[in-house]
Amino acid sequence: SQTIHQWPATLVQPVGSPLSLECTVEGTSNPNLYWYRQAAGRGLQLLFYSVGIGQISSEVPQNLSASRPQDRQFILSSKKLLLSDSGFYLCAWSPRGRGYTFGSGTRLTVV
Amino acid sequence: DQQVKQNSPSLSVQEGRISILNCDYTNSMFDYFLWYKKYPAEGPTFLISISSIKDKNEDGRFTVFLNKSAKHLSLHIVPSQPGDSAVYFCAASRNSNYQLIWGAGTKLIIKP
Repeated sequence: SQTIHQWPATLVQPVGSPLSLECTVEGTSNPNLYWYRQAAGRGLQLLFYSVGIGQISSEVPQNLSASRPQDRQFILSSKKLLLSDSGFYLCAWSPRGRGYTFGSGTRLTVV
Repeated sequence: DQQVKQNSPSLSVQEGRISILNCDYTNSMFDYFLWYKKYPAEGPTFLISISSIKDKNEDGRFTVFLNKSAKHLSLHIVPSQPGDSAVYFCAASRNSNYQLIWGAGTKLIIKP
């Protein structure tokens, strides 16, 4: 069966520090991968999606970047965090079809 | 431009009664709709979906209704239970596009 792992679960980082959140999927190949953010009291905002290794599409220009070095690995990064980067970050995958499966999320607090 | 709208940020329902969550969309090309449930500090989990060729899909206490002419769908939960308290997201997609377009979510509170 397919599983998705996302870590860390919580993270407190100072302003200006770098960020790296990792997401891996098991039990499937060539999935579509997504990074979402849920800011406090708001809906889900799609940040990046990837349909294959090295293929990244950005939905919202911002202080973040994403990379897909391997088929089932998706990384969200920042060189210098801003206060506004605080939020709940979610990784998700989908097969070549319908429906997403989400990871458990990372609560990022930038202080 | 919000293509999927959930106009009620929150909804409070008595335990045992019916909860009705609404979702409107503007893009007539959407042909597949999903509902997700999200608890605080957790990822959303898939609840129920419906294809545009249907107008109703039922799974236990959960039923989704689709009105294509009104571009409206709703999620009914009967009877509502305390564990149903969560944020519910509506999402839509087109056949040729695997991306989901999300509503802003509705926070459902089930009162004992």
